[in-house]
Amino acid sequence: DAGVIQSPRHEVTEMGQEVTLRCKPISGHNSLFWYRQTMMRGLELLIYFNNNVPIDDSGMPEDRFSAKMPNASFSTLKIQPSEPRDSAVYFCASSPAGLRAEAFFGQGTRLTVV
Amino acid sequence: AQRVTQPEKLLSVFKGAPVELKCNYSYSGSPELFWYVQYSRQRLQLLLRHISRESIKGFTADLNKGETSFHLKKPFAQEEDSAMYYCALVEYGNKLVFGAGTILRVKS
Repeated sequence: DAGVIQSPRHEVTEMGQEVTLRCKPISGHNSLFWYRQTMMRGLELLIYFNNNVPIDDSGMPEDRFSAKMPNASFSTLKIQPSEPRDSAVYFCASSPAGLRAEAFFGQGTRLTVV
Repeated sequence: AQRVTQPEKLLSVFKGAPVELKCNYSYSGSPELFWYVQYSRQRLQLLLRHISRESIKGFTADLNKGETSFHLKKPFAQEEDSAMYYCALVEYGNKLVFGAGTILRVKS
């Protein structure tokens, strides 16, 4: 297994444009997480899914952010419209069921909004 | 409310010196705690979990429920330990939350 796969690796976009980040979790994993990493705030949990169902989206900063998981092998994080303050590294992670399960991270998408 | 607190943004030590990366948590239930590490140009990965009571790469972490702490320790730092370290807590429902992270820099 190639692990958690995220695309694109880098994204540069203009303010106001729509941005879609993609994630393919590890096959068989039940939980999927989206995080945002910044120097100021570290690793913030945006939203997570269990069995494709969004469980907690309290970390989503604004209505401009939305996430979907249409099936067990794919998830998207969309920002519309994007703003410069959204610039960060966005990570997707997946884990098997269970509290003590290890989370496996993708390589991240570095988003720059100019 | 911050559930995982890492008070130091940066910790700089000399090679061979002891290391302690601090982590405090706030959780009403029985905590499941982890340390994750991100080396330069690598993915974030699990370093150790409290339930295993293991030592990985010379690092250990003990859960202190009285002080609500889970500090990461190593007696003798090595240059290859330089990385970003995150303390993490699993809450009810498999919700995995992280602290702000601490950069460890080991100088030669």
